Amino acid sequence: TQLLEQSPQFLSIQEGENLTVYCNSSSVFSSLQWYRQEPGEGPVLLVTVVTGGEVKKLKRLTFQFGDARKDSSLHITAAQPGDTGLYLCAGPRSNDYKLSFGAGTTVTVRA
Amino acid sequence: DADVTQTPRNRITKTGKRIMLECSQTKGHDRMYWYRQDPGLGLRLIYYSFDVKDINKGEISDGYSVSRQAQAKFSLSLESAIPNQTALYFCATSASGSYTDTQYFGPGTRLTVL
Repeated sequence: TQLLEQSPQFLSIQEGENLTVYCNSSSVFSSLQWYRQEPGEGPVLLVTVVTGGEVKKLKRLTFQFGDARKDSSLHITAAQPGDTGLYLCAGPRSNDYKLSFGAGTTVTVRA
Repeated sequence: DADVTQTPRNRITKTGKRIMLECSQTKGHDRMYWYRQDPGLGLRLIYYSFDVKDINKGEISDGYSVSRQAQAKFSLSLESAIPNQTALYFCATSASGSYTDTQYFGPGTRLTVL
């Protein structure tokens, strides 16, 4: 059983559309990270959210950390083909400094 | 040059063979990790090391061993490879004292065990 559940598993949209990826857990996290992984490469950190209710923006990407620090979302506005990739959420549990990763959401943006 | 490098990038081997995957980093980080990635399962931690004399098992360490030869080098061994160890393997590093433990990943090694 994954500690962090991501949904959906796959997402295919047309260029210009919006999308949201969810990351949920029954456990509390001291912080949550979002990584993007492209084929043939390792994951690369996009953002870290630390405070419950926090919202961070990275150009067309908006990240939100739930008030209870058990969930997070990633919203992409006007998706572009360059947004294609595997999006992973990860976080250390409050009593455990090792990172737990979600299974990932594969996003495909069609031109 | 990449900060975290892995060799080899691809490897095909046969059941029962001994395999070593190597990781080197120039980031100066003291923490290093080995993960495997399987479709639909995400990244799972095999072993981790917080300094040269510290080695810890992760959630799926059976069938694997590691060696931390220096602060910059962390190798993963499969003593007797089996087909269900076919996967993408990633090395990662992070700095101690980091509250959020941001990890920096290598490009991965694709291992196929026939």
